Amino acid sequence: QSALTQPASVSGSPGQSITISCTGTSSDVGGYNYVSWYQQHPGKAPKLMIYDVSNRPSGVSNRFSGSKSGNTASLTISGLQAEDEADYYCSSYTSSNTIFGGGTKLTVL
Amino acid sequence: EVQLVESGGGLVQPGGSLRLSCAASGFTFSDHYMDWVRQAPGKGLEWVGRARNKANSYTTEYAASVKGRFTISRDDSKNSLYLQMNSLKTEDTAVYYCAREGFARYYYGSGSRNYYYYYMDVWGKGTTVTVSS
Repeated sequence: QSALTQPASVSGSPGQSITISCTGTSSDVGGYNYVSWYQQHPGKAPKLMIYDVSNRPSGVSNRFSGSKSGNTASLTISGLQAEDEADYYCSSYTSSNTIFGGGTKLTVL
Repeated sequence: EVQLVESGGGLVQPGGSLRLSCAASGFTFSDHYMDWVRQAPGKGLEWVGRARNKANSYTTEYAASVKGRFTISRDDSKNSLYLQMNSLKTEDTAVYYCAREGFARYYYGSGSRNYYYYYMDVWGKGTTVTVSS
């Protein structure tokens, strides 16, 4: 099972919005509404930001939103803040397994 | 406080074995599916495998890269998850995270229904495994 495809890096200025894409296939992203997104700061454990495509866990800022179209899911962060600088990973359920994207490094300029 | 604490990491030679443990606290461990996820140095996250709960026969699933070499087990009486790693390779060098999958129980009328969600909402801090001669 190949990893989901994410851009290696994205950047934006404080206050701007950015979108990170996550492309899979009809066997994973396109086949289930079980896409989740994780934020990871250097040296820290991942943190769940979005689950089931577009749901936010309690405590996660509403600046984070998720969506999906066909085999591609997206994470949008609006009103960028310095603390949003981190690595972001998408994940999808697929026929009893779970796969992650390669990760995207977000730089806040 | 909901918490997962991994232990058991260390340095092991190629071909060797190691057993990782994950101690859970602050939630009903027996309700949840539990996962292991690893991260090689400077690399992304890689799902290792999952252990379902007693209600789902303690079934397990594994990534192709570890199937046949790694075994996940759990002891609900000890609120613990384990990862037995055999025939270790240098490419198994990574930080290994224990993670909890989402679960909800809804009550209706005279009954209830369990829902299992394929996201990881609680993570441990990880334990480092280094495979090297």
